[in-house]
Amino acid sequence: SAVISQKPSRDICQRGTSLTIQCQVDSQVTMMFWYRQQPGQSLTLIATANQGSEATYESGFVIDKFPISRPNLTFSTLTVSNMSPEDSSIYLCSVVGVMSEKLFFGSGTQLSVL
Amino acid sequence: RKEVEQDPGPFNVPEGATVAFNCTYSNSASQSFFWYRQDCRKEPKLLMSVYSSGNEDGRFTAQLNRASQYISLLIRDSKLSDSATYLCVGRGGSYIPTFGRGTSLIVHP
Repeated sequence: SAVISQKPSRDICQRGTSLTIQCQVDSQVTMMFWYRQQPGQSLTLIATANQGSEATYESGFVIDKFPISRPNLTFSTLTVSNMSPEDSSIYLCSVVGVMSEKLFFGSGTQLSVL
Repeated sequence: RKEVEQDPGPFNVPEGATVAFNCTYSNSASQSFFWYRQDCRKEPKLLMSVYSSGNEDGRFTAQLNRASQYISLLIRDSKLSDSATYLCVGRGGSYIPTFGRGTSLIVHP
């Protein structure tokens, strides 16, 4: 299984600011995803991070609000822009390995917006 | 309609009980299925893959029924440490995973 380092693990932010979350994997992976999980809810896919090109966003999520970068096969960032209290959630990076169909997760970033 | 549906529970069972969860999926093109376990405020962790032939790992058995489009997870001899949320996941041709909302299990003494 891939080892995924996700930072920060938690943060408390002021309304209107932005936060960038980093995801680093110890091996090459084929697919990288960003999920959001609000309290008591299941995981909602924000976007698929594509290497060297714009991410593919799911319905309800836009690049201006959640810009994503993936400069290489093992690293990606998600920015939560112009935050509001409604953005308070756990954000999870996940990956699919090169030789695996299984999905592995980073430890998550717990975001609270005041 | 959500692509992957689960009964959210909670299932409240005594230690030693056998408990079963079902999950239905609507996308017949889904190719791979998994069960994940998620503890409170933690990331989901892979519990097991699900195959048509069945997959057993100790006290856990997973089964896929393609004709009826459901997957199941059976937990025998429940332990207190089995208390968690169990997520059903399907992946189709696009390889994008789709999660069910999760089934909450509470094992009590």
